[in-house]
Amino acid sequence: QKEVEQDPGPLSVPEGAIVSLNCTYSNSAFQYFMWYRQYSRKGPELLMYTYSSGNKEDGRFTAQVDKSSKYISLFIRDSQPSDSATYLCAMNDYKLSFGAGTTVTVRA
Amino acid sequence: NAGVTQTPKFQVLKTGQSMTLQCAQDMNHEYMSWYRQDPGMGLRLIHYSVGAGITDQGEVPNGYNVSRSTTEDFPLRLLSAAPSQTSVYFCASSAREGNQPQHFGDGTRLSIL
Repeated sequence: QKEVEQDPGPLSVPEGAIVSLNCTYSNSAFQYFMWYRQYSRKGPELLMYTYSSGNKEDGRFTAQVDKSSKYISLFIRDSQPSDSATYLCAMNDYKLSFGAGTTVTVRA
Repeated sequence: NAGVTQTPKFQVLKTGQSMTLQCAQDMNHEYMSWYRQDPGMGLRLIHYSVGAGITDQGEVPNGYNVSRSTTEDFPLRLLSAAPSQTSVYFCASSAREGNQPQHFGDGTRLSIL
């Protein structure tokens, strides 16, 4: 069993829709939770970084962490074609562990 | 504002050949790492370094060597390339290991025939 499981997708949504991405994990030692965005033929870039359970907002993006359920989510409001990318969840104790990624396409 | 620079961007090798993937960062980061990315597998850690002169194995180290002679550079060597090493390789760095987010290069796409 992988330490981090991510819904594989792919997801295709119309422009303006809310995108919901999820990951579950098994390691209780994970303390820091991240979401990376990866455009085609590019390296992952950090999108959101959280430590505690709860919500964190940054513009159209909201990251949720529920440590009791070992579950994290990323929501993208008012999605745009420029949000089309692969989204990777990641979390760490002393090293970073990644989900497999979910590819999102926002249709204009 | 270069960040993490990887060279080459693309490479095709024959089975049994050796090569070195280069990685350099200009952020004075102590922690550097190499990942491989395969479809459906996500990013898997190959080797990492917590500072110059110190390296350690990650999740999938077999067939790869690393060294860290300077803070800036962290090359990855394929000793005898195998088709199973066909992948996209990413180098990353962070201020320190553990809780700091990592900055990634744009990857090297490697095909082994």
